[in-house]
Amino acid sequence: SYELTQPPSVSVSPGQTARITCSGDALPKQYAYWYQQKPGQAPVLVIYKDSERPSGIPERFSGSSSGTTVTLTISGVQAEDEADYYCQSADSSGTYRVVFGGGTKLTVL
Amino acid sequence: EVQLLESGGGLVQPGGSLRLSCAASGFTFSSYAMSWVRQAPGKGLEWVSAISGSGGSTYYADSVKGRFTISRDNSKNTLYLQMNSLRAEDTAVYYCAKDADIAVAGTVGYFDYWGQGTLVTVSS
Repeated sequence: SYELTQPPSVSVSPGQTARITCSGDALPKQYAYWYQQKPGQAPVLVIYKDSERPSGIPERFSGSSSGTTVTLTISGVQAEDEADYYCQSADSSGTYRVVFGGGTKLTVL
Repeated sequence: EVQLLESGGGLVQPGGSLRLSCAASGFTFSSYAMSWVRQAPGKGLEWVSAISGSGGSTYYADSVKGRFTISRDNSKNTLYLQMNSLRAEDTAVYYCAKDADIAVAGTVGYFDYWGQGTLVTVSS
């Protein structure tokens, strides 16, 4: 079955750049999406179609894709960016389904 | 303003049934596919099911296929999830989520608005 693999945790100091990766065999053929989730809150879409940023999302959030890996980059990390981040894609190889990565806890030191 | 309000969660015994509802407002409900996504306590997100804007196409995760049924009433701007034969592993917060774009067919498969979730606890 199709899986998306993320590191469980990433830690950075304020002002540094955080990079969160997501790997999956179908990513060269399917777009990836990224969500931010803070404790007790619903997820928020921060990147869509690999690298597009929804309105209202700060410019320090960006996305990129290379082969089977997509990357969420947060430049100039702020304390408020501490959250869980999930990548998401779709699997249309058989019966259509949406797939989430396991999530990455971003800690701002 | 887009709003999604889930209801219907609660405590149910293993093998029992529950129906979740999601009342939508602030957008043309019938134009957008909708999904249910769940999150077990302390765990990650898991997509459960999706339904096209017309309701004519439905999709399920393998973990719930044959037990859960997604439906919608476009006249009431409401999404439903009928959950039968519930198991302990179905315990989670259940979110309804709106497709971020209008799909030509089916669903675009990503979400720009989420409800606040409703907790389902399956336990004896």
